Amino acid sequence: QIQLVQSGPEVKKPGASVKVSCKTSGYSFTSHGLGWVRQAPGQGLEWMGWISPYNGNTNYAQNFYDRVTMTTDTSTTTGYLELRNLKSDDTAVYYCASLTYYSGLDNWGQGTLLTVSS
Amino acid sequence: EIVLTQSPGTLSLSPGEGATLSCRASQSVTNNYLAWYQQRPGQAPRLLIYGGSSRSTGIPDRFSGSGSGTDFSLTISRLEPEDFAVYYCQQYGRSPWTFGQGTKVEIK
Repeated sequence: QIQLVQSGPEVKKPGASVKVSCKTSGYSFTSHGLGWVRQAPGQGLEWMGWISPYNGNTNYAQNFYDRVTMTTDTSTTTGYLELRNLKSDDTAVYYCASLTYYSGLDNWGQGTLLTVSS
Repeated sequence: EIVLTQSPGTLSLSPGEGATLSCRASQSVTNNYLAWYQQRPGQAPRLLIYGGSSRSTGIPDRFSGSGSGTDFSLTISRLEPEDFAVYYCQQYGRSPWTFGQGTKVEIK
């Protein structure tokens, strides 16, 4: 079955960087995009962007374009989200999800809690 | 960017009742690329509906989506206990993809 398994919780200080991983299985990794969404405590869902594992093309949301890097490793079918220059309001659960252009975000990881605190 | 406005913010209903959730877009959604997600407390979102009206794999037929252009709806015909959750709409027809703010369906 399709699975997306994310790395564990992180605690970082302001100004630091974090890299979250998303290990996928059960589907053709290069036939789907990989999207990232975050959710601050008690808040709604926020789109961060996506990457094509097929060719490495990325599309980042304006709010993150200068602080985020999304990458994939096709040999391990794993996606990565790096967020730099962390601020306290980056505290959130970060989700990865597989996507297609016609069906949206069809399978989700379990989420990774990032806490940014001094 | 396309702004999605969901209404109502909260819906208080009893099990067995029907629910209709609304999602209105600030611009027409390209190709009706509008999805609905369910999020239960402490869980990741789950895709219910894509393309405005197509049910995702394994989604019960009590969930249905309709609409086009700027006005979309999610209908739950008879609420089961597990349906009490938060529901989000999302447009994926134009970059950047955007989400609505969510509708909470709570037990009355």
